[in-house]
Amino acid sequence: GAGVSQTPSNKVTEKGKYVELRCDPISGHTALYWYRQSLGQGPEFLIYFQGTGAADDSGLPNDRFFAVRPEGSVSTLKIQRTERGDSAVYLCASSLRGSSSAGNEQFFGPGTRLTVL
Amino acid sequence: GNSVTQMEGPVTLSEEAFLTINCTYTATGYPSLFWYVQYPGEGLQLLLKATKADDKGSNKGFEATYRKETTSFHLEKGSVQVSDSAVYFCALSGSGNTGKLIFGQGTTLQVKP
Repeated sequence: GAGVSQTPSNKVTEKGKYVELRCDPISGHTALYWYRQSLGQGPEFLIYFQGTGAADDSGLPNDRFFAVRPEGSVSTLKIQRTERGDSAVYLCASSLRGSSSAGNEQFFGPGTRLTVL
Repeated sequence: GNSVTQMEGPVTLSEEAFLTINCTYTATGYPSLFWYVQYPGEGLQLLLKATKADDKGSNKGFEATYRKETTSFHLEKGSVQVSDSAVYFCALSGSGNTGKLIFGQGTTLQVKP
């Protein structure tokens, strides 16, 4: 079956611009996560959706970052007034449910590489 | 807060050598522990996991045992292959939370023929 897909695969933008990154999770997965991976580092958690609601947005670095999942499937990560420090690979993952009690597996997409010039 | 520390890489081995990649964690409660792997040009994928103390996760010849007394989850393989060359990430998911993963910084493994 189809895995997690992310578009675009690469995005180059100028400082101060607005960008949207899209994630299509695996069908039927209720939990969706966004992570950010800087060069040479492990992914860092940004936000978690259970269904349509953001259940944990504690990883969003500031109010320039926002994410939505209006129908409980596709999610969009939105970054306003981009800065050079936002350059990273943005990863999306989905899982059947969000509970960690059973070591719930997250399936990752290929990521969107964002470059802010 | 919760955190994961991995041994720094890169790790360079000859084919058929024994592999250990160290991973230690700090967490409250009883986290679940994972190893994810990222092959060149591919996305992150789960390699193995363990959900409680003394559990051993295993897959593709790799093993890791959840050691609560030493807060460790070291990855081992008895005989590595060139195809094992990748970046390996240790991660934890804290007990009672949303399932979000906290990753180590990753360890690059290069296996030479």
